[in-house]
Amino acid sequence: EVQLVDSGGGLVKPGGSLRLSCAASGFTFSDYTMNWLRQTPGRGLEWVSSISSRGTNTYYADSVKGRFTISRDNAKNSLYLQMNSLRAEDTAVYFCARDPHRRFDLWGQGTRVTVSS
Amino acid sequence: QSALTQPASVSGSPGQSITISCTGTINDIGIYNFVSWYQQHPGKGPKLMIYDVYSRPSGVSNRFSGSKSGNTASLTISGLQADDEADYFCSSYTTNSTRVFGGGTKLTVL
Repeated sequence: EVQLVDSGGGLVKPGGSLRLSCAASGFTFSDYTMNWLRQTPGRGLEWVSSISSRGTNTYYADSVKGRFTISRDNAKNSLYLQMNSLRAEDTAVYFCARDPHRRFDLWGQGTRVTVSS
Repeated sequence: QSALTQPASVSGSPGQSITISCTGTINDIGIYNFVSWYQQHPGKGPKLMIYDVYSRPSGVSNRFSGSKSGNTASLTISGLQADDEADYFCSSYTTNSTRVFGGGTKLTVL
C-alpha cells in the first residue's frame, strides 16, 4: 500500500527539541521531493520545509529557518524533521507529504506537536 | 490570516452542485497554473483532489472539477454525495518559490 506514516509528536516545553519521522512505503521514495507541513485551527495549513529527492537541496519557511532541519534517509525510506528552540506558535499537527511537482499528492496522517510549559 | 481567501462554509443538498472559490494575487494564482485542491475529513490527512488548476489524480471522481480566472480559482463538486462533506483547501505555488494555502471551506451536505 502506498502510504506515509508520521510519528514523533508530543508535548515539549518552550525552548525544547523534538524529532519527527515519516516512514514511506509502497513507492520509490528516492524519486520524490518530500515536504513537512503543519496545520493549526488559527493559521490553517502552512508549508514548513522541503527536501529534494537526493537530499542535496533543502528549503524552509521563514518562520522556522535556523531552528528546524529537514533530512532524509533514502535507504530507510524515511523523512525527518529536527525541531529545536521550539516556541508556543510551533504547536500544530505536522504532516509529511510527497511532492511530484508543485503539488502534494500523498500525505501522512499527521502527528501532533504541543509546545507548552 | 491565510494568503488565499476561501469562504468559510458552503452547503448543498445531495445531487446538487456547489462551487468553492479561492482568491489570491498576481504573485500566486494569477501567474501560475499550479493551483491544487485538497479534501480533508476530520482527523485525517488531506487528500489531493485537483492539481494544475484542472487535472484530477487517478482515482478521484470526475464529479470534482477545477477552473481559474485571473487571480481566482474554483472547485466545483457536482452530484453532491454525503461523503463529500469535509473541509476543502486550495493551494498555489508563488513567485517566492513557496506554497500558500487558503483558510479552508467546510462543506456541509444537507
